[in-house]
Amino acid sequence: QKEVEQNSGPLSVPEGAIASLNCTYSDRVSQSFFWYRQYSGKSPELIMSIYSNGDKEDGRFTAQLNKASQYVSLLIRDSQPSDSATYLCAPRNRDDKIIFGKGTRLHILP
Amino acid sequence: SAVISQKPSRDICQRGTSLTIQCQVDSQVTMMFWYRQQPGQSLTLIATANQGSEATYESGFVIDKFPISRPNLTFSTLTVSNMSPEDSSIYLCSVQTRASYNEQFFGPGTRLTVL
Repeated sequence: QKEVEQNSGPLSVPEGAIASLNCTYSDRVSQSFFWYRQYSGKSPELIMSIYSNGDKEDGRFTAQLNKASQYVSLLIRDSQPSDSATYLCAPRNRDDKIIFGKGTRLHILP
Repeated sequence: SAVISQKPSRDICQRGTSLTIQCQVDSQVTMMFWYRQQPGQSLTLIATANQGSEATYESGFVIDKFPISRPNLTFSTLTVSNMSPEDSSIYLCSVQTRASYNEQFFGPGTRLTVL
């Protein structure tokens, strides 16, 4: 089983709609979870962190965490063309290392 | 978050040569890491750079191939030794700071092409 699983996409979402990005992880001990955005040719940029079960909102972004299901998601409301990027799910594992998924490519359709 | 710079931003190298990549941070950091991102792939941790001591390498990475230095709290280097085309990749420096506690931030990366 892969440590972090994400749908590679591309996920196409109309402008103004909600984009939903999902991630599952294998290490039950993980307590910290991060979402990074990576534009083509650029380095990853941290956009959200979440540590507790439930929802965490920051502007148009909402991270959702369910530790029992080992599931974390990122919602992007009012999607903009500038949101088109690859989104990397990154839990911190039992060795205190941040492990990255392969990412989901998101394409916002104008 | 900290401001992280890397040099060079890109390079094209010949097989068998070595390249040293520098990472400079504008503030003291608690942890520094080196990652590799091969084309179309996600990030793979190479090693944790430890100040004043040998780096801690992940499985599949060895010191002879990727020697790392960290002489102080704000600077680290990664050398890619005896390069082959398979080493063509983006190499990224990443840091944790006292202020960021649990979060990690990335430098702009070094794009390496080995011919």
